[in-house]
Amino acid sequence: DIQMTQSPSSLSASIGDRVTIACRASQSISNYLSWYQQKPGKAPKLLIYSASTLQSGVPSRFSGSGSETDFTLTISNLQPEDFGIYYCQQGYGSSWTFGQGTKVESK
Amino acid sequence: QLQLQESGPGLVKPSDTLSLTCTVSGGSVGSSNFYWGCVRQPPGKGLEWIASMYYSGRTYYNPSLKSRVTISIDTSKNQFYLNLTSVTAADTAVYYCARLNGNWFYFDSWGQGSLVTVSS
Repeated sequence: DIQMTQSPSSLSASIGDRVTIACRASQSISNYLSWYQQKPGKAPKLLIYSASTLQSGVPSRFSGSGSETDFTLTISNLQPEDFGIYYCQQGYGSSWTFGQGTKVESK
Repeated sequence: QLQLQESGPGLVKPSDTLSLTCTVSGGSVGSSNFYWGCVRQPPGKGLEWIASMYYSGRTYYNPSLKSRVTISIDTSKNQFYLNLTSVTAADTAVYYCARLNGNWFYFDSWGQGSLVTVSS
């Protein structure tokens, strides 16, 4: 199995901050990497796929980068509705795995 | 607009089989390039992909669950089904139905989730 490791596990940030979350794959996954946001009691919401493609309707303050094994999700100008848990997910091969999640909290 | 709706038992006894039905509306499980499956989330924990299936019959299973999981599709009812056998308390989770995009293999649509508790 391909293991996905996110860092940090949690972070505290203020409105307007620039937030960066890292995701590392245990082997190369090319660009088969997506990012999700989850709010309490809700299903995950797709933000980015193919490492850097913004899903329709997602604000442009969200961006993704990286390839092979190292990826980054950046939220520029953090907004109140951006607090929650963020997951990366690899789509390489025929068995798909998520990172453990990064909780973004209010400072 | 595509919608997925889970129907689950709520409570399952240890060693029994968990059966989940996912009903799709606003789209077809027979659509090309999309896979249909399930992701679960134990209380307070992260996401775990369980299984996905293409309408043609090709199935994909999480290796850690493969021996206990079966996924199937009924295109005439626009539904797909998950069976998980020999459940234990560790299988207590919110179970989500989810559509997997077959180009870049990401989950682009999710159901609201169904909490299944394993307890006697």
